[in-house]
Amino acid sequence: DAGVTQSPTHLIKTRGQQVTLRCSPISGHKSVSWYQQVLGQGPQFIFQYYEKEERGRGNFPDRFSARQFPNYSSELNVNALLLGDSALYLCASSLEVLYEQYFGPGTRLTVT
Amino acid sequence: RKEVEQDPGPFNVPEGATVAFNCTYSNSASQSFFWYRQDCRKEPKLLMSVYSSGNEDGRFTAQLNRASQYISLLIRDSKLSDSATYLCVVWVDTGRRALTFGSGTRLQVQP
Repeated sequence: DAGVTQSPTHLIKTRGQQVTLRCSPISGHKSVSWYQQVLGQGPQFIFQYYEKEERGRGNFPDRFSARQFPNYSSELNVNALLLGDSALYLCASSLEVLYEQYFGPGTRLTVT
Repeated sequence: RKEVEQDPGPFNVPEGATVAFNCTYSNSASQSFFWYRQDCRKEPKLLMSVYSSGNEDGRFTAQLNRASQYISLLIRDSKLSDSATYLCVVWVDTGRRALTFGSGTRLQVQP
């Protein structure tokens, strides 16, 4: 079975631009979570979605938004990009909200 | 105080050594516990869940002490391929409903 997939792999944007990252969960998984990881730190929780509804939100500004589609795939949007948004963005899927999470390879975003 | 704290290391050990990592968490309402492994510039991969009774998977043993809010990971007979960063992860079912990661402990196994 395919694991979690994310696109694009790498992305370079300039300050003020907007970006959309995409994630497809493992087949059968209904929950998708998004994390931001900067160098030297563990992943920081951004959002969790289950059955298209937001189930959790981390301490990120409103510039960050997400949604989940009927096929359980998900998008993360970041508006008005700042240099500090440069990071590895990870998507993780799980069967249900409380189950073990499996990560995709991530999208490396560089903001210049 | 960080919600999940780990010694950042690095731990430099020879092949065949036994190494132990410790982790403490601050929220007593934490419900689930995991160890993830992350190789350089790769995604975290689930190593094992941690149960109250302790659990073992081959050379890896995880322990949980709820009273002390402490989790451990023991790796026996270290291999070169065990070199990675080990992330302690805690689930708290509060409004956030999220995995909370420690910053990770780096292990370097040397020949």
